[in-house]
Amino acid sequence: TQLLEQSPQFLSIQEGENLTVYCNSSSVFSSLQWYRQEPGEGPVLLVTVVTGGEVKKLKRLTFQFGDARKDSSLHITAAQPGDTGLYLCAGASDSNYQLIWGAGTKLIIKP
Amino acid sequence: DTAVSQTPKYLVTQMGNDKSIKCEQNLGHDTMYWYKQDSKKFLKIMFSYNNKELIINETVPNRFSPKSPDKAHLNLHINSLELGDSAVYFCASSQIEGISEAFFGQGTRLTVV
Repeated sequence: TQLLEQSPQFLSIQEGENLTVYCNSSSVFSSLQWYRQEPGEGPVLLVTVVTGGEVKKLKRLTFQFGDARKDSSLHITAAQPGDTGLYLCAGASDSNYQLIWGAGTKLIIKP
Repeated sequence: DTAVSQTPKYLVTQMGNDKSIKCEQNLGHDTMYWYKQDSKKFLKIMFSYNNKELIINETVPNRFSPKSPDKAHLNLHINSLELGDSAVYFCASSQIEGISEAFFGQGTRLTVV
């Protein structure tokens, strides 16, 4: 059974601080997606990483896919209250054509 | 224009009732999904469906059944509702099953009393 473990489950920090969220698995994924979900809404895709070692930047957000394509991280620089939300990672597998979802990291950025 | 829309947004009903949640996507995607998100925010897939195949998560009770009148719609029917069915249910669609970006609806918060 493929599993994606996200850590931390919950993070509350002050505006301006940096943070990193991790998404780990013992399985290899063909690609990995990061979503953000705000209260009362569905998850919205932030980025997809495909190549081992790939780094993608989205303004203050930096996403990295592990060399072995088993793990990924999301780093936020100078967090803003608008970054508050639930961050979900989802791995795509070539073997069963289903997204495997992590449990999410609930992030709160305090002004 | 809303890409994936589901109705109703809120649904409060009594135990034992039968209810349906509707979902429509205007993206031309071939695959649609139903997810359940519990109070701990864990997103669990219930069904994925395209023109060719319905994949059911084996842990989903058979009281839940998806019905697709056409490619753009995937409705969720729930029979004999139980307290434990209370959750937020999300409809989603993607172009390529399980690989490409999933577009989600706003969710339906179901409360069984």
